[in-house]
Order: sequence, then C-alpha cells, then structure tokens
Amino acid sequence: EAGVAQSPRYKIIEKRQSVAFWCNPISGHATLYWYQQILGQGPKLLIQFQNNGVVDDSQLPKDRFSAERLKGVDSTLKIQPAKLEDSAVYLCASSLEGSPRGGYTFGSGTRLTVV
Amino acid sequence: AQSVTQLGSHVSVSEGALVLLRCNYSSSVPPYLFWYVQYPNQGLQLLLKYTSAATLVKGINGFEAEFKKSETSFHLTKPSAHMSDAAEYFCAVSGSTGFQKLVFGTGTRLLVSP
Repeated sequence: EAGVAQSPRYKIIEKRQSVAFWCNPISGHATLYWYQQILGQGPKLLIQFQNNGVVDDSQLPKDRFSAERLKGVDSTLKIQPAKLEDSAVYLCASSLEGSPRGGYTFGSGTRLTVV
Repeated sequence: AQSVTQLGSHVSVSEGALVLLRCNYSSSVPPYLFWYVQYPNQGLQLLLKYTSAATLVKGINGFEAEFKKSETSFHLTKPSAHMSDAAEYFCAVSGSTGFQKLVFGTGTRLLVSP
C-alpha cells in the first residue's frame, strides 16, 4: 500500500511569513495526526482528526497554527505568521482506528526552517 | 496522563555487541507502549508494540522489548548490533481506551562502531 505522503519536503521562510503543509494519509485511514518534532526532541502532537472532525488540538498554538481535513482525507497545516521557534520537522501520520494499538504510519515529514 | 523517560540521549556500541535502550513510562491507565526508529531525513517506523498481550514483544530487525509493570519499564534490546542499526530510537506511550494519542520520549541516538 502507498504510504503517507507529505509535501513539501523542505521549506525555508522568513519570520512573519506564512506557510502551509499538505498530507495525504493512507487510503481508508480515518485518523490523521500532525506532530511537531523540534531538533533534539521527540515528536509532539499538534492536532488529531477523526475523519474530518478534531479529536484533540490541545497543544496547537491556535493564534498562529490552523489545520483542516477536508472530506476526511487530505489535510493541510498552516502557520501564519511564523516564528523562529517554529523551525522543526512537521510529521503527518495516519491510523486505521482512533487507538494507536495498530501503530501509526508516518510520512517523511516537512522540514521547516524559519530565518 | 502519560509520559516516557528515555535514559541516555546517546548510546554507543560496537558492531556485534548487545544493544540496550532504556525506557520508563508513567501512565494513569493501562498503557500501550511502542518503540519507533527514525533514520536521517525519514519518518518514524514502528519497531514493536506492547498492547497488553505477551509481555515479551518481538519486533522487526531482531529487536525485542519486555514490559515490566513492577518497574514501569519497556527497555529495547538486540543481542548483536549491526551497522545498519545506527539511528534515533523513540519510546512512546498511549492509553488503551478510546481515542488516544502517542506521547513520545526525547529519543536515544544509537551509534554503532566497527
């Protein structure tokens, strides 16, 4: 089966600019996650979707970050305006069910550098 | 709430030596536990998982881990390291009911020398 697709792979922007990331999960996977991985740290969940509804966005900085999952398939994560501390790898993952029991499938990530 | 602590940000072994990566967890409910591996510029790949069945779990690439409730540990081992094992390893925990999220540790970088 095809994996989780993410684009772009790399992005460099200046602070205060906006940026968007795209994720296409594995076909049929109802649950989609966006994680932020800062260099030297473990991934941190930003937002979790079940189909096109939000299950958990408690750690999403809502003043600058937004995410949507149209029609319960693809998802976009946007940052506006970006700050230096947003430099990180943004990982998208999907799973068949809402529980991690079956394991997540991760995409290769988008590496964002804010200068 | 759940959390994991990975002891040692870097672990160095010689090729052929035992690999031991340590993970301790904290969870207010029965946990699911996972080990993921991340190669440079790639996403995370599931190595193995504990989901309340057998406490000794075998995964891919010869890795295994043992869930020890009394020690709140889930250490990852491999009898003989290979150069290709050099990567970042993450321990993760989640609850076992309802919608749950994976909570990751800070990672351990495994270095394998010839």
